[in-house]
Amino acid sequence: DARVTQTPRHKVTEMGQEVTMRCQPILGHNTVFWYRQTMMQGLELLAYFRNRAPLDDSGMPKDRFSAEMPDATLATLKIQPSEPRDSAVYFCASGWAGTRGNTGELFFGEGSRLTVL
Amino acid sequence: AQKVTQAQTEISVVEKEDVTLDCVYETRDTTYYLFWYKQPPSGELVFLIRRNSFDEQNEISGRYSWNFQKSTSSFNFTITASQVVDSAVYFCALSERGSGNTGKLIFGQGTTLQVKP
Repeated sequence: DARVTQTPRHKVTEMGQEVTMRCQPILGHNTVFWYRQTMMQGLELLAYFRNRAPLDDSGMPKDRFSAEMPDATLATLKIQPSEPRDSAVYFCASGWAGTRGNTGELFFGEGSRLTVL
Repeated sequence: AQKVTQAQTEISVVEKEDVTLDCVYETRDTTYYLFWYKQPPSGELVFLIRRNSFDEQNEISGRYSWNFQKSTSSFNFTITASQVVDSAVYFCALSERGSGNTGKLIFGQGTTLQVKP
């Protein structure tokens, strides 16, 4: 079964520490998305990539968050320094976008639950 | 601006009852896609359906059915003869074709469905 894989599944850290979340998209997919889920804000889009190029990261706090795709099989989301308000579930999703855009569904990973104390 | 509204925050029904989850969307695009995702207690987001803006035909899949009405910008989801396993948070989402769309999804706030035995 092809699936999006995220690590770690759970992370507890102290304020000020660096946190890196990793995502392995489904092989063959060329778009990758990072979403954050909180009770208050719901599912928010943080950043997304197409063919490894960042297209939009306007949803991300730039001063502390960064997203990269070092290669087609790995996407990372880094928070440095982390703050308690970053506590959330972070989802990675991948999909396929052709020349006319993506008409299909996004496949989501199981999420990384982050708690910043 | 694109927006998805799920006015029902929580719904509670007794097993075997029918239940409809409402979804209203806003978009300026003429070509767009609507989705429903299910998030069971385990946390992952499971794709249920995708509908494009040119296809207003209602769809039925087992106990699930979807009613898409462009005139009211609604894409409602009905579960017939609900079961306890249907208990989950259900998200409606919108993806616009324009603006270099790569399939990014804008989610509603979600409706928590509790089906009691």
